[in-house]
Amino acid sequence: NAGVTQTPKFRVLKTGQSMTLLCAQDMNHEYMYWYRQDPGMGLRLIHYSVGEGTTAKGEVPDGYNVSRLKKQNFLLGLESAAPSQTSVYFCASSYPIAGGPTGELFFGEGSRLTVL
Amino acid sequence: AQSVTQLDSQVPVFEEAPVELRCNYSSSVSVYLFWYVQYPNQGLQLLLKYLSGSTLVKGINGFEAEFNKSQTSFPLRKPSVHISDTAEYFCAVGPRGYQKVTFGTGTKLQVIP
Repeated sequence: NAGVTQTPKFRVLKTGQSMTLLCAQDMNHEYMYWYRQDPGMGLRLIHYSVGEGTTAKGEVPDGYNVSRLKKQNFLLGLESAAPSQTSVYFCASSYPIAGGPTGELFFGEGSRLTVL
Repeated sequence: AQSVTQLDSQVPVFEEAPVELRCNYSSSVSVYLFWYVQYPNQGLQLLLKYLSGSTLVKGINGFEAEFNKSQTSFPLRKPSVHISDTAEYFCAVGPRGYQKVTFGTGTKLQVIP
């Protein structure tokens, strides 16, 4: 059971380039999330999805787009990368209880992105 | 909206000594509470969670936490730490019925031999 898998694990971009991070989960979870982790700032929610075909903005959505075309996949895109987007990105998934999410998140191992 | 405060960014402690990591939260609705652990160069994994019921929650690796609603706190404790407990610990809050989970800024636990 792979859980949550993120690709790529490392990437270096130049300012203005675009890229997509892929998150795949094999647990049939409804909810999926993208966080970024920066030193001293904890994890900040970028975007999330409550089901196939639906997405919503988190705390820091600017400069990012997402898509959830299939239940098991959640893509994070950077259309024009900036140095401020240098970070470690984590994908997570969750499942509902009693009509709402448990909040218990299952994380991938992270994708380290550097924008020069 | 909810928020989480972890006042200690780093906590050094000697091996076999007890430790408590502080966590305070604010929310306008009832919440679920969590502690996650992150080892170097890894993702986060769940240590323990409070959903309902007993306010004393036991997790993996001998950790426990106690939900205190009046003080809006959820401190993490371990009676005797081991070198392998060296990691960063994150407190998180998820409002009941909502999809978003908010994390604190983390506390790095350094266990000294």
